[in-house]
Amino acid sequence: DVKVTQSSRYLVKRTGEKVFLECVQDMDHENMFWYRQDPGLGLRLIYFSYDVKMKEKGDIPEGYSVSREKKERFSLILESASTNQTSMYLCASRLPGQANYGYTFGSGTRLTVV
Amino acid sequence: AQSVTQLGSHVSVSEGALVLLRCNYSSSVPPYLFWYVQYPNQGLQLLLKYTTGATLVKGINGFEAEFKKSETSFHLTKPSAHMSDAAEYFCAVSVYGNTGKLIFGQGTTLQVKP
Repeated sequence: DVKVTQSSRYLVKRTGEKVFLECVQDMDHENMFWYRQDPGLGLRLIYFSYDVKMKEKGDIPEGYSVSREKKERFSLILESASTNQTSMYLCASRLPGQANYGYTFGSGTRLTVV
Repeated sequence: AQSVTQLGSHVSVSEGALVLLRCNYSSSVPPYLFWYVQYPNQGLQLLLKYTTGATLVKGINGFEAEFKKSETSFHLTKPSAHMSDAAEYFCAVSVYGNTGKLIFGQGTTLQVKP
């Protein structure tokens, strides 16, 4: 079965810390995505990557960066965590050109910044 | 550009009653449409999707949705609600191509009363 694994389910960090959220998929998918989910706002795209070392900004990239050194791993980085980045973060992956398949999602990381 | 609007952030039904969750989309090209479900503290799971062909689509757990191009709608229904259906539901749209990203609606929380 296809899997997207997010390393942490719950994370508590302090304001100003550098935070790494890790996502690994075992499906050999080129496309990977990071979303954040907030009540009443649905899922908003932060960054996505079409392939290794390729990345593009989504709708809300401010305060975030990403790293894709290997095909299976896509990391989201909060350079200096702030309380307004408290949220649920969801990683997803997909084969390229397979828009009709939808995404496979990880279980999410609930981040609290204090 | 594509967009999705889910009418009603909260829907409450009695167990055994009809479930109707509304989704309208905007797309300048033929869309792919999806419904995802999210149970508490979990990631998103694909319920059903419309790509091409039959406009009435059946999914898991007894849910179905009908693509109505003239109304730009893709409403989700289930004839008889079960307590286990209580969750958050997201409608999403995508288009063909390597760069076809999923655009999500704001989500609808379904409450099922005994």
